[in-house]
Amino acid sequence: DTGVSQDPRHKITKRGQNVTFRCDPISEHNRLYWYRQTLGQGPEFLTYFQNEAQLEKSRLLSDRFSAERPKGSFSTLEIQRTEQGDSAMYLCASSLKSYNEQFFGPGTRLTVL
Amino acid sequence: GDSVTQMEGPVTLSEEAFLTINCTYTATGYPSLFWYVQYPGEGLQLLLKATKADDKGSNKGFEATYRKETTSFHLEKGSVQVSDSAVYFCALSDRRQTGANNLFFGTGTRLTVIP
Repeated sequence: DTGVSQDPRHKITKRGQNVTFRCDPISEHNRLYWYRQTLGQGPEFLTYFQNEAQLEKSRLLSDRFSAERPKGSFSTLEIQRTEQGDSAMYLCASSLKSYNEQFFGPGTRLTVL
Repeated sequence: GDSVTQMEGPVTLSEEAFLTINCTYTATGYPSLFWYVQYPGEGLQLLLKATKADDKGSNKGFEATYRKETTSFHLEKGSVQVSDSAVYFCALSDRRQTGANNLFFGTGTRLTVIP
């Protein structure tokens, strides 16, 4: 399977704990996006990488959120001191530089108790 | 700012019925428009797209035309099947200074097709 993969698929944590999610984009894609989707809503943009550089961050990305893409391949999204409001599906997408079509992974569903 | 307003669901149709899901947008530039579909238990998949005014995107019997004068991108299918049951998202992307093509999504419309 050469699509976008995300790990884990599900994560249940207690409030105040830190969590980290991983995204592996399609191998030749140099652009990577993170989105958050809450129940009954469409995905909302969180942050964007071009290769290893994080070029854009949404206002939704509070100081408790940090994302990295250290070698321009896989990316991680960390949430520190999780809150119940962080419960959502976290989606990763990747694309080629010259195209605007994004390919989405299956998502990581986070539940904060 | 950029935004998408999508017809609320859920929508329930009988097999072979005609489908329309309305979508209108607000954008400051010249966006590209998309319909994404999410089948039960699966990730988002691109269904069709249009990159400029009057373009028609089509795929799997679905069509949508980029109407700049009405800022709309309505999704249509002439004869739906049970397998079309899914959540449909209208989205736009607007090229930004960073080079990103962030997608702005509507809230989604759940379609259920009954035999």
